[in-house]
Formats: sequence, C-alpha cells, structure tokens
Amino acid sequence: DTAVSQTPKYLVTQMGNDKSIKCEQNLGHDTMYWYKQDSKKFLKIMFSYNNKELIINETVPNRFSPKSPDKAHLNLHINSLELGDSAVYFCASSRENGGYEQYFGPGTRLTVT
Amino acid sequence: LAKTTQPISMDSYEGQEVNITCSHNNIATNDYITWYQQFPSQGPRFIIQGYKTKVTNEVASLFIPADRKSSTLSLPRVSLSDTAVYYCLVGPLSSGSARQLTFGSGTQLTVLP
Repeated sequence: DTAVSQTPKYLVTQMGNDKSIKCEQNLGHDTMYWYKQDSKKFLKIMFSYNNKELIINETVPNRFSPKSPDKAHLNLHINSLELGDSAVYFCASSRENGGYEQYFGPGTRLTVT
Repeated sequence: LAKTTQPISMDSYEGQEVNITCSHNNIATNDYITWYQQFPSQGPRFIIQGYKTKVTNEVASLFIPADRKSSTLSLPRVSLSDTAVYYCLVGPLSSGSARQLTFGSGTQLTVLP
C-alpha cells in the first residue's frame, strides 16, 4: 500500500486557470505538508497542517490554499495559475509537526502554459 | 533560520565510502540535523537524523562535531543505486514556522562503475 499518494501525477494547464492537487496518507500521521520543487531541485516548504492548525510559509502567494477535509487528506488549491507556478509539488506527512521524519508522496508535475 | 550549504555535486566509484558534508554555521540549540535522499521522479526519503556526536543506522552514519556547525553523511560502500540527490535539513523537531523546514538544493551524488 502506498503510504502517501498524490493525484494527478502530471497536470498541464493554461495561465489563469484554477486547479487542485489531492494528497492522501494512510500512516495515521497528525501533520501533512506541501512542498514545491523548482527546476534547480530546490525544495521549499509551502504549508504544514496539524490538528486544524495551518502554518504557512509567508513567502507563498495567497493564490495557493490548502484544504483538509480530514486528517488523512490535504489538498492543494491553486487559483489564477501563473507560468512561475510550474514545478513539482510534493505532499508529505509526519507524526508531528516539525523536523520529524517525513514521508513524501511521488510528486505532481505541474506545467503552466 | 539555520541556512545549510552543501556541495552541488560529487562523484564516486562503486564500493567506495562517500562522505557528504553540510555546513550550518548558525544552527540553533534546539535544531536537529536530518538527511534525505531523492531519486529522479520520486519524493525525498528519510535517511538519518541526529543532534550531536554520531548516529548510525542500517544505511548510513551521521557525524556531528561538538560545535554542531557542520555534519557529515557517510555512505559505506556505495553502489550504482545510491546515485541520487542528498539533502541536509536543519530545524527543530517542533516547528512554529514553516520556513524553518527548508531543504536547500542538495548534493547530486553520482556513483560510477
């Protein structure tokens, strides 16, 4: 069984569109994250979500918003997509918030044209 | 916020021991040092974590000097399958700020036959 899964694996869309990426973890973890990895492999955290508490990296534009319907899911919504949003987005989870061992999903490659 | 510096790339041969050093001069008292491995088209995978001195598990060792301003990931007898990007991450186990979990750009390790 996949511990952390994401859908879709690839997403191609046009500028200005709104899109969502789904993430699910079956590890029973309390915290989930979203990361963005650019073409230079720089991996930057965007959000962490724990027990209804959302911790935001303040450099993330407010066009990005995480939504958690339950503890096992943290979906990423992106409004008004821009060319610079093209990247690979990873979902991850850990038993608690912070530097604990994180389990990553396979990633979603987003291409904005 | 503890910033990390790693070599961009390293080459090694099969069967050799590989040491990858990470500098983190402004590490905080409550920061831990964590290393992740990432293969192409996959999410990062936890390798090892430590606070001081030496930590060893079945895949790697982590050496941390007394001043904790650097750390060295040691991979014994690497094989071709160890070719990957290795990330050093410094941060507290409990994070109140998502920005404290920044991975950086990592070290591309290439193992040659």
